[in-house]
Amino acid sequence: AQTVTQSQPEMSVQEAETVTLSCTYDTSESDYYLFWYKQPPSRQMILVIRQEAYKQQNATENRFSVNFQKAAKSFSLKISDSQLGDAAMYFCAYRTDEYGNKLVFGAGTILRVKS
Amino acid sequence: EPEVTQTPSHQVTQMGQEVILRCVPISNHLYFYWYRQILGQKVEFLVSFYNNEISEKSEIFDDQFSVERPDGSNFTLKIRSTKLEDSAMYFCASKLAENQETQYFGPGTRLLVL
Repeated sequence: AQTVTQSQPEMSVQEAETVTLSCTYDTSESDYYLFWYKQPPSRQMILVIRQEAYKQQNATENRFSVNFQKAAKSFSLKISDSQLGDAAMYFCAYRTDEYGNKLVFGAGTILRVKS
Repeated sequence: EPEVTQTPSHQVTQMGQEVILRCVPISNHLYFYWYRQILGQKVEFLVSFYNNEISEKSEIFDDQFSVERPDGSNFTLKIRSTKLEDSAMYFCASKLAENQETQYFGPGTRLLVL
């Protein structure tokens, strides 16, 4: 079974600075998708960025980018120019290739942004 | 932009009562999911649903749980006899097709069982 590990329960960053959130996963599949979801205090799950495993190029979405290391099974999220609105819980998630394509989530990292 | 919606946003119920959580997926989506998040814990998969049948369910999804798509728009999760440990945030998600990678989540229903 696939597992997702987020080893940082909590991170802090100064406004306008850069922060990196770590995620590792375990799988025997060769084709899969990885996601970062943001969960603000409202608790809604908001997609931040996604990465296809077959693509070597790291995904980017404005201030958000990933460092995808397939061999190391690592998928970190970099947030540049951090803003107060980035403060939230961030979940790393793996989408299985099995029928139904469920998401497997990590435990989450709380990101605090200091002004 | 189309969104997944869920009702109610909050529900309080007595232990042993039945609850129905409702979701309206994005209109042309074909794959539907329920996830649960107990306060302070990770988001856990409950069930996936496609073509009017369950495609996968987790160990959490026991006989007390059921899902239904009663009409062309709603997707419901029923808990027949709620337990204290069912208190959680319940998220509905949907995606367009099997080869579409992204699941879109609703805002969640916060269920409190007393």
